[in-house]
Amino acid sequence: AAGVIQSPRHLIKEKRETATLKCYPIPRHDTVYWYQQGPGQDPQFLISFYEKMQSDKGSIPDRFSAQQFSDYHSELNMSSLELGDSALYFCASSLMLASYNEQFFGPGTRLTVL
Amino acid sequence: KNQVEQSPQSLIILEGKNCTLQCNYTVSPFSNLRWYKQDTGRGPVSLTIMTFSENTKSNGRYTATLDADTKQSSLHITASQLSDSASYICVVRVYGGSQGNLIFGKGTKLSVKP
Repeated sequence: AAGVIQSPRHLIKEKRETATLKCYPIPRHDTVYWYQQGPGQDPQFLISFYEKMQSDKGSIPDRFSAQQFSDYHSELNMSSLELGDSALYFCASSLMLASYNEQFFGPGTRLTVL
Repeated sequence: KNQVEQSPQSLIILEGKNCTLQCNYTVSPFSNLRWYKQDTGRGPVSLTIMTFSENTKSNGRYTATLDADTKQSSLHITASQLSDSASYICVVRVYGGSQGNLIFGKGTKLSVKP
């Protein structure tokens, strides 16, 4: 079965640079979530989109922005990168009306800021 | 404050042995509880998901229990395999509210040794 796809899987950037992470949800899923997981930390919710509209906002810094496109894929744009942004970034998708509205996670993008 | 606490923090067992991981939560209002398996550097993979009316749910060698009265859950792994080595995360979803409202436990790091 198709899973959530994230790209790139690994990304290395310098401080103050910009990064764009992409997420392709499971086909027919209408909701996308972004999480940030620092070393040894549990995932922190950043932001979610339902039907291309922002549906919830968590601890996303103002330097970050995200959007969901007409094909339901989502991009997380990160500017003025800081060392503390180094983390594993997960995307998850779900179908709003499915039972439990269960989130399926992608493999993550490991971002390293030097 | 909504919290999910897991124990033990880490566990080492021999291949073929059984083990039980614990999860206590103080999340209200409660929607459902999920157990995820997360390999190092990878996205969490769902093992089970239960609502308050479900006491036990199995997925192969994994059996989860839920006591909504005491707000406790356990994940029992039978006949462990080397591939079971991973972090097991208990996640509780808050009823209503935002779609991103998942409360993550810190996880139990399981190591299965030959």
